[in-house]
Amino acid sequence: SQQGEEDPQALSIQEGENATMNCSYKTSINNLQWYRQNSGRGLVHLILIRSNEREKHSGRLRVTLDTSKKSSSLLITASRAADTASYFCATDEGTYKYIFGTGTRLKVLA
Amino acid sequence: GAVVSQHPSRVICKSGTSVKIECRSLDFQATTMFWYRQFPKQSLMLMATSNEGSKATYEQGVEKDKFLINHASLTLSTLTVTSAHPEDSSFYICSAYDRGQDGYTFGSGTRLTVV
Repeated sequence: SQQGEEDPQALSIQEGENATMNCSYKTSINNLQWYRQNSGRGLVHLILIRSNEREKHSGRLRVTLDTSKKSSSLLITASRAADTASYFCATDEGTYKYIFGTGTRLKVLA
Repeated sequence: GAVVSQHPSRVICKSGTSVKIECRSLDFQATTMFWYRQFPKQSLMLMATSNEGSKATYEQGVEKDKFLINHASLTLSTLTVTSAHPEDSSFYICSAYDRGQDGYTFGSGTRLTVV
């Protein structure tokens, strides 16, 4: 399987600032999901965006999808210390299995 | 929403022994479940696709004789790490597809430590 790439690998910001993470993938997809993972814990689903959608919002989260560039971005606005976690994108190749990106480790400093 | 229960959450075993991890869909039927492995500070790598009533499909490089997968019912898939060695120490996570919600739900993961 081909893993997606995320950048940056690590991001450190001050509380209140916005955090942007990018995800690139290699194959055509049905949809793309973003997950959060606190250290040593399971995954928390954040948002799903389908291939025919370009932008989606959920609270302080904004996700964009550019299928022509095979890329997606996750924006967290007005970040909080509790947002500190690793964030992964995952793409559905159409076979009901998800391929995860390499992840971005976000640290929000209080 | 859909819930996937994974058990145990943590397990420590001796080298050479086998460990079984369970993944249950609590309020929906899952004909397909997926097993992932995650090493520290790395991403999740898909190990295998578990299909109810048939053999699992393993990703390239994953030893099927070492990681035995059984999906005997529509709500339960098990992963058995056989003859575990320290290099098998990892975080294992399952996920299940809920057709009713057209979405995936992940278990909370199992941290395996082989000593």
